[in-house]
Amino acid sequence: EVHLLESGGGLVQPGGSLRLSCAASGFTFSSYAVSWVRQPPGKGLEWVSAISGSGGTTYYADSVKGRFTISRDHSKNTAYLQMNSLRAEDTAVYYCAKVKSTLSMEVFDYWGQGTLVTVSS
Amino acid sequence: SYVLTQPPSVSVAPGQTARITCGGKNIGTKSVHWYQQKPGQAPVVVVYDDTYRPSGIPERFSGSDSGNTATLTISRVEAGDEADYYCQVWDSGSDHYVFGIGTKVTVL
Repeated sequence: EVHLLESGGGLVQPGGSLRLSCAASGFTFSSYAVSWVRQPPGKGLEWVSAISGSGGTTYYADSVKGRFTISRDHSKNTAYLQMNSLRAEDTAVYYCAKVKSTLSMEVFDYWGQGTLVTVSS
Repeated sequence: SYVLTQPPSVSVAPGQTARITCGGKNIGTKSVHWYQQKPGQAPVVVVYDDTYRPSGIPERFSGSDSGNTATLTISRVEAGDEADYYCQVWDSGSDHYVFGIGTKVTVL
């Protein structure tokens, strides 16, 4: 059974940094792209970043480009999101999601339960 | 950047049909995916690639996509269908995922 478990969320001051982790199990981790999607309190879903199965290609939303870095460690079956220069508007639940197909980036078939990041002084 | 437009809310009586639209320029040329999200839970895909249902999703959920509008149809609506529904595409032009703002379905 596929399982994604996020961790690393918490309270951080504006301008601070945080690293989120997404531990994956139940599938061949290196074959599938993984993405981070966030949801501010009471608002809709916003895509943040994605990384190809090999880790060789990364994608970022304009709102986080230059501040966030996505990576993955195949030996640990874990994806990461390094978040720097955090702002109040980055406050959200951050979900890790697995892309369904090995051949395209189209749709997410499994999601973790999310980890809350709060940026506040 | 590519934009998806959804109505903020749809209300429907039990047993009736709910239709949720997702507008986008030439969206009929893209694969559209729909997610259901209940309060406090992670999203779940209910329709992918315009019309396909994952295993475990009732046949009452169906999708269509043509021209500038994609539609998620929920037939014989039940109280348990009350949730937020999001459409999503992969915009290959920008290499970005795009979500609609979400539609809150209320069962009267």
